[in-house]
Amino acid sequence: NAGVTQTPKFQVLKTGQSMTLQCAQDMNHNSMYWYRQDPGMGLRLIYYSASEGTTDKGEVPNGYNVSRLNKREFSLRLESAAPSQTSVYFCASSESYGDSNQPQHFGDGTRLSIL
Amino acid sequence: TQLLEQSPQFLSIQEGENLTVYCNSSSVFSSLQWYRQEPGEGPVLLVTVVTGGEVKKLKRLTFQFGDARKDSSLHITAAQPGDTGLYLCAGNTGKLIFGQGTTLQVKP
Repeated sequence: NAGVTQTPKFQVLKTGQSMTLQCAQDMNHNSMYWYRQDPGMGLRLIYYSASEGTTDKGEVPNGYNVSRLNKREFSLRLESAAPSQTSVYFCASSESYGDSNQPQHFGDGTRLSIL
Repeated sequence: TQLLEQSPQFLSIQEGENLTVYCNSSSVFSSLQWYRQEPGEGPVLLVTVVTGGEVKKLKRLTFQFGDARKDSSLHITAAQPGDTGLYLCAGNTGKLIFGQGTTLQVKP
């Protein structure tokens, strides 16, 4: 019952370092998402992939890049980390994009600190 | 920018009390979802409401979607310590727009 798996769970970076957050889902879902969660701000969408081979910007894409490696995997890259990117990052997946009745299934998050 | 305003942001009550959390927007949503999140975990879907005026019940939790599909409420009857957590509403516009969340603490 893995669902959505994120790695790593915790990471500390120095300003300017790069890093890739990994996400994989085993539910054969078409759509995948990356969010960041900050205190008092809920979840904000960074990028999403409606289907394999496509990616689109969300609400807060600046400073991030994504790759939909295959149907299962969707990675998030920080090319040059900044303290403002300190956050908890969540990956999610759903059967299809835009379907009102579909839930999103979330991983347990990656807690990232940028010093 | 579409916004979902959730209130209150923090609620601390005694076991057995009732409470209501509100989720309001000036935008119309095709559906609205409520999620619950526990520390160290991702959000988990509680319910989806689709039709204006719809009411759904999940044990002691009652969810309502406003007639105009711009707002929603979550009412918990006789809260239990196990209800403690972060409650998030999310409006569907193709993408999910999340509210800021309500942190609920139920003390024994």
